[in-house]
Amino acid sequence: SYKLTQPPSVSVSPGQTARITCSGDALPKQYAYWYQQKPGQAPVLIIYKDTERPSGIPERFSGSTSGTKVTLTISGVQAEDEADYYCQSADSSATYSVFGGGTKLTVL
Amino acid sequence: QITLKESGPTLVKPTQTLTLTCTFSGFSLTTNKVGVAWIRQPPGKALEWLALIYWNDDKRYSPSLKSRLTITQDTSKNQVVLTMTNMDPVDTGTYYCAHRMVTTDGFDFWGQGTMVTVSS
Repeated sequence: SYKLTQPPSVSVSPGQTARITCSGDALPKQYAYWYQQKPGQAPVLIIYKDTERPSGIPERFSGSTSGTKVTLTISGVQAEDEADYYCQSADSSATYSVFGGGTKLTVL
Repeated sequence: QITLKESGPTLVKPTQTLTLTCTFSGFSLTTNKVGVAWIRQPPGKALEWLALIYWNDDKRYSPSLKSRLTITQDTSKNQVVLTMTNMDPVDTGTYYCAHRMVTTDGFDFWGQGTMVTVSS
C-alpha cells in the first residue's frame, strides 16, 4: 500500500530554520497535511492543502510542495517547537489516507 | 465548538473484538462533506490511519487492516463506532477519533485518545 517517507529526526538551534520533508508518489496529485504532536498530547493540524495555515498557527510554520516531495518549514525555531511532526496524504485514487513515519524535531 | 471523545475498553485479550465509540459535539454527521476518522498510535511509534466514515455513509479503510475493521455511525447519538476483530498485542496503542475538515482531507479536531492494551 501507499507510503509517505519522512526523515526520522531533524535538529536545529533556536532561531534557525528547520525543514522537514515528506516524499510520496501521489503527492503531485493529492494534498498534504502536517501535524505537530507533543508528548502525551493529540496531534494538532498545522498545515493543510500543502501550504495553508489554520487560524491560530504561528506564521513561522509554512508548507511547500515540489513534485513528489512536500516540505514543512519552521522559521526562527523556538524551544516550544520541539515535537514530532507527521505528514498525511491520500493515495493516488483518494481511496484512503496514510501518515508518514514522523520526524522528531530537536531544538538544540 | 467541536469536541470528540473516545471511549471503550482499556484491556482486551488476544483474538477478542475491540469496540470503540467516538462521541462528538459541535457538528453533525448529516451535514454535507463531514467525516470522522479513526487513527491509532502504538507506544513510541507513528500515527496510523485506520478508517473514515463520511456524512453519506461512504466508508474507507486502511488496505492493510480492511478485513478486520468496521466503521459505523449513529447520527441520533452523534457517535461513530469502530470495531476491530482478532486483536493482537501489536494492536496495543492509543486510538484517536478525529473530525475531517469539511473542505479537504485534513483532521482539524481530535479527541484526547484512548489507550488500548492487548494482553492475556
